[in-house]
Amino acid sequence: LAKTTQPISMDSYEGQEVNITCSHNNIATNDYITWYQQFPSQGPRFIIQGYKTKVTNEVASLFIPADRKSSTLSLPRVSLSDTAVYYCLVGPPYGGATNKLIFGTGTLLAVQP
Amino acid sequence: SQTIHQWPATLVQPVGSPLSLECTVEGTSNPNLYWYRQAAGRGLQLLFYSVGIGQISSEVPQNLSASRPQDRQFILSSKKLLLSDSGFYLCAWSDRNYGYTFGSGTRLTVV
Repeated sequence: LAKTTQPISMDSYEGQEVNITCSHNNIATNDYITWYQQFPSQGPRFIIQGYKTKVTNEVASLFIPADRKSSTLSLPRVSLSDTAVYYCLVGPPYGGATNKLIFGTGTLLAVQP
Repeated sequence: SQTIHQWPATLVQPVGSPLSLECTVEGTSNPNLYWYRQAAGRGLQLLFYSVGIGQISSEVPQNLSASRPQDRQFILSSKKLLLSDSGFYLCAWSDRNYGYTFGSGTRLTVV
C-alpha cells in the first residue's frame, strides 16, 4: 500500500476554510484516496473518497491533481466540532486478503473560536 | 442497514487476567473484519484481519489472539494481559459495497 505523508497538526478559526494536503508519491493505478475523521475515544468515520479530479459531498471536497501524487481535503467554514484527527489513506476502496487499511499518524486539526 | 457492535465500551483489567472483546456485524455477509489498537496520542495499528470464518492473519507479534467463530463475529482475546496491552481497541469491517466501517471502540486499561 502506498505510504502517505500529511502534516501532524493544523490550527484554524471558526468559519474559515481548511485545506489539509496529503502526499502519496507511490500511489498505484488502482488505488483510491480516502479521508477519515476521528474524534477522541471514537472510531474513525468516513469523510470522502476519490480517484481523480474533484469530489464533493455534503461535508467536504477532495481535490486530486492529474498525477495523483497528492490530494487535498477541503473543509468549508469549519466549526469547533470539526476539531479532530484527519487521516489520509491510499489503497483499494475495500479490504481483502492482501489489501488492508493502514493508518498513518493523521493530522490533528484544532479549531479555535 | 449495516451496523457494527463492539463491547464493552470501557474495561479495566488487572495484569495477568484474561481478555475477551467481541465485535459483531449486521446487515452484510462475508465481510472482511479487522482489529485495530490505538495507543494514547498515536495512530491506529492493525492487529488482525480476517477474510472468512476461521481465517485469521496477524500483523504484529503480540500477547493477543483473534478468532472468527461465525461469519459476522470477531473476537479479540488474551490469556494474560500485560500493562502494554492498554489502549483503545477498534473493530472494523469492509466489503465491496460499503468500504470500511468502524465500531465505537473499547477503552482497555490494564492495571
